[in-house]
Amino acid sequence: DTGVSQDPRHKITKRGQNVTFRCDPISEHNRLYWYRQTLGQGPEFLTYFQNEAQLEKSRLLSDRFSAERPKGSFSTLEIQRTEQGDSAMYLCASRRTGDTEAFFGQGTRLTVV
Amino acid sequence: KQEVTQIPAALSVPEGENLVLNCSFTDSAIYNLQWFRQDPGKGLTSLLLIQSSQREQTSGRLNASLDKSSGRSTLYIAASQPGDSATYLCAYMEYGNKLVFGAGTILRVKS
Repeated sequence: DTGVSQDPRHKITKRGQNVTFRCDPISEHNRLYWYRQTLGQGPEFLTYFQNEAQLEKSRLLSDRFSAERPKGSFSTLEIQRTEQGDSAMYLCASRRTGDTEAFFGQGTRLTVV
Repeated sequence: KQEVTQIPAALSVPEGENLVLNCSFTDSAIYNLQWFRQDPGKGLTSLLLIQSSQREQTSGRLNASLDKSSGRSTLYIAASQPGDSATYLCAYMEYGNKLVFGAGTILRVKS
């Protein structure tokens, strides 16, 4: 399978716990994006990487959120001290610089109880 | 601040109807516009991508148009089928970078 892969698909956690999600982009895609989607809304941009460099972060990305892409391949998104408002679908997308089409993974559904 | 508006928010039609989904955006400096399909609880599947220099794209029963000057795009679905039931999202790409999405149109095609 050469698509964007996200793990886990679903995560239920208690408020205050830390969670980490993983995204494996399409190989050779140097740009990787994270989006968050709440119920009934479209996805909202969180952050993106070009290779291992994090080039832009949204104001939505509070200091409890951190994203990494250490070797320019897979990426992780960590949420510390989760809150109920963090419950959402977290989507990852990738593309090559110069290409215009972004490809999305199946998302990680986070529920904070 | 709402930058992309999709109308209608929801639509229910009988099988076989032709239908139009509308998308309007406020930023005319777009790189491209993309239409996606999203099934419940799933990720996004790209349907059509229109470059800023193009006017329309077609794939099977789907046709999407783009009018940058008026800030509008439409997705036309011909001969709708129950399998078309999903949420349809439009998004424009700002120069070089992120996608800006609308809230989507929830489509239900009744058999």
